[in-house]
Amino acid sequence: DARVTQTPRDKVTEMGQEVTMRCQPILGHNTVFWYRQTMMQGLELLAYFRNRAPLDDSGMPKDRFSAEMPDATLATLKIQPSEPRDSAVYFCASGPSSGNTIYFGEGSWLTVV
Amino acid sequence: GDSVTQMEGPVTLSEEAFLTINCTYTATGYPSLFWYVQYPGEGLQLLLKATKADDKGSNKGFEATYRKETTSFHLEKGSVQVSDSAVYFCALSDLLGNTPLVFGKGTRLSVIA
Repeated sequence: DARVTQTPRDKVTEMGQEVTMRCQPILGHNTVFWYRQTMMQGLELLAYFRNRAPLDDSGMPKDRFSAEMPDATLATLKIQPSEPRDSAVYFCASGPSSGNTIYFGEGSWLTVV
Repeated sequence: GDSVTQMEGPVTLSEEAFLTINCTYTATGYPSLFWYVQYPGEGLQLLLKATKADDKGSNKGFEATYRKETTSFHLEKGSVQVSDSAVYFCALSDLLGNTPLVFGKGTRLSVIA
């Protein structure tokens, strides 16, 4: 089964440290999304890309978050410096160029202490 | 903007009970509608979808019908099992999939034996 792969699966880090989360979208998918899930806010869209170009990153705190797609097989989400309020599950999802079903990875579970 | 409203949970049912989770939407145009399911510790998985009015999506005993006149996409299952315990998300996307999915806040279902 083709699937979206995310690393790390779990991460505990100290406040102020840099955190990088990686995502390998499903081969052939050209749209990639980053979502954040918390108990309080539910699912929030942070950013998304089409054909590696950022289309919308308005959901990200710009001062500390950055998202990139160095190539078609890798998307990254970086937090620098991390804060306790960034503790959440970060999901990557990808979708094909046609149609609108997207497929989620299993998430990166981040705890900032 | 587009939005999705789901019934608030948690919903607790006994095994073999009938399930309904209500979902209504607001959208310009004619969106596609989705139900995603999230099992504990996992990412979201597509459960079913419908792309036009009166379409019925179905999967694993779950079904939902796209009702344009009531702007609804209620999820139903005739007989739930303990293994159906999860969080269920209703979502919509524009017809061409050019914008990210808009998710409801999710409804937690617990099925007890």
